[in-house]
Amino acid sequence: DTGVSQDPRHKITKRGQNVTFRCDPISEHNRLYWYRQTLGQGPEFLTYFQNEAQLEKSRLLSDRFSAERPKGSFSTLEIQRTEQGDSAMYLCASSLGGVDGYGYTFGSGTRLTVV
Amino acid sequence: GDSVTQMEGPVTLSEEAFLTINCTYTATGYPSLFWYVQYPGEGLQLLLKATKADDKGSNKGFEATYRKETTSFHLEKGSVQVSDSAVYFCALLYNNNDMRFGAGTRLTVKP
Repeated sequence: DTGVSQDPRHKITKRGQNVTFRCDPISEHNRLYWYRQTLGQGPEFLTYFQNEAQLEKSRLLSDRFSAERPKGSFSTLEIQRTEQGDSAMYLCASSLGGVDGYGYTFGSGTRLTVV
Repeated sequence: GDSVTQMEGPVTLSEEAFLTINCTYTATGYPSLFWYVQYPGEGLQLLLKATKADDKGSNKGFEATYRKETTSFHLEKGSVQVSDSAVYFCALLYNNNDMRFGAGTRLTVKP
């Protein structure tokens, strides 16, 4: 297993367009997380899945954002009608839920630029 | 709510200098504590962790001790290298489903 993979690495889009990012977690990890990181800040939690169930969503996740994890494997994060404020690094992480202090393994992120 | 506060940067050191990056936390219970490192254009990499009071996490010459009495988890390294230049994030994990990060401290090491 090569770790958490995210695709694409970079995305430039025009305001108002829809974008979709993909995350492939470590195969034996049952939990998957999405975070957003803006310049000079730490990652902020967006949402997480345990297997295919989306268990928690941050209030940062407006109704333009939707995340899925069909079959409990890879996940997608879609942003509809992008705005310039959506420009950020979107990080995906996975972990083995139920193991105390296991920690998260992060992907390299998708950098979104909305122009 | 649970949170992490870490020392503001940027921090600039000469090679072989001693490094300390302060991190304190606020939590209602007993979280696990982590240090992550982020190199330019990359995601976060786990550097070290500690899951209970008085535990010491260590990796690549970096160390941090979980101090319950001072609610701290300061990162230290005895002799930094240019390759240590990165942004360092302190984080806590409580109830295994919500990792909270500090704002990050940028370290630059000059030869």
